Amino acid sequence: NAGVTQTPKFRVLKTGQSMTLLCAQDMNHEYMYWYRQDPGMGLRLIHYSVGEGTTAKGEVPDGYNVSRLKKQNFLLGLESAAPSQTSVYFCASSEQGEHQPQHFGDGTRLSIL
Amino acid sequence: GQNIDQPTEMTATEGAIVQINCTYQTSGFNGLFWYQQHAGEAPTFLSYNVLDGLEEKGRFSSFLSRSKGYSYLLLKELQMKDSASYLCAVIDSNYQLIWGAGTKLIIKP
Repeated sequence: NAGVTQTPKFRVLKTGQSMTLLCAQDMNHEYMYWYRQDPGMGLRLIHYSVGEGTTAKGEVPDGYNVSRLKKQNFLLGLESAAPSQTSVYFCASSEQGEHQPQHFGDGTRLSIL
Repeated sequence: GQNIDQPTEMTATEGAIVQINCTYQTSGFNGLFWYQQHAGEAPTFLSYNVLDGLEEKGRFSSFLSRSKGYSYLLLKELQMKDSASYLCAVIDSNYQLIWGAGTKLIIKP
């Protein structure tokens, strides 16, 4: 049982480059989330989705886009990478309902030079 | 604004008991989570409290007082593998999850 799988695990980009982070879950969860985690700060929600075909902005959405074309996949795109986007990115999924615990992927460590 | 306060770092001894506190000031309250995160790994769910009182789960217990905006995570019979960060997160009135910065727990032999 893979749970939540993120690819890639590590990536180094140059300023201005674009890339897509992939998240896949095999638990048939309705809700999916993208977070960033920076030293000394709590997890910050970038975008989330409450079902296939739907997405919504979180706390820090600027510079990112997402898509949820299939229930099991949630993609995070960086259109034009900036050094401020250097971070660890976590994808999570949960059953329907905000009181449900979230299951996290192993994270993507992204450095923007 | 919304705020969750946790100590940045705590140190405890193997075999002992440690209490990690979390105080919150949020726009409403609809539940509180505790997660464990080992260095370089993903957070994993530990507990969920929505009513006042103590929830016990093996060596770990979580307490909530909604009137005081306060929760704690109690870890008993500490083991070296308990060295990790412990994250407190609160569901606010808009059903958004607000995360604390986490408490790094260091266990010494």
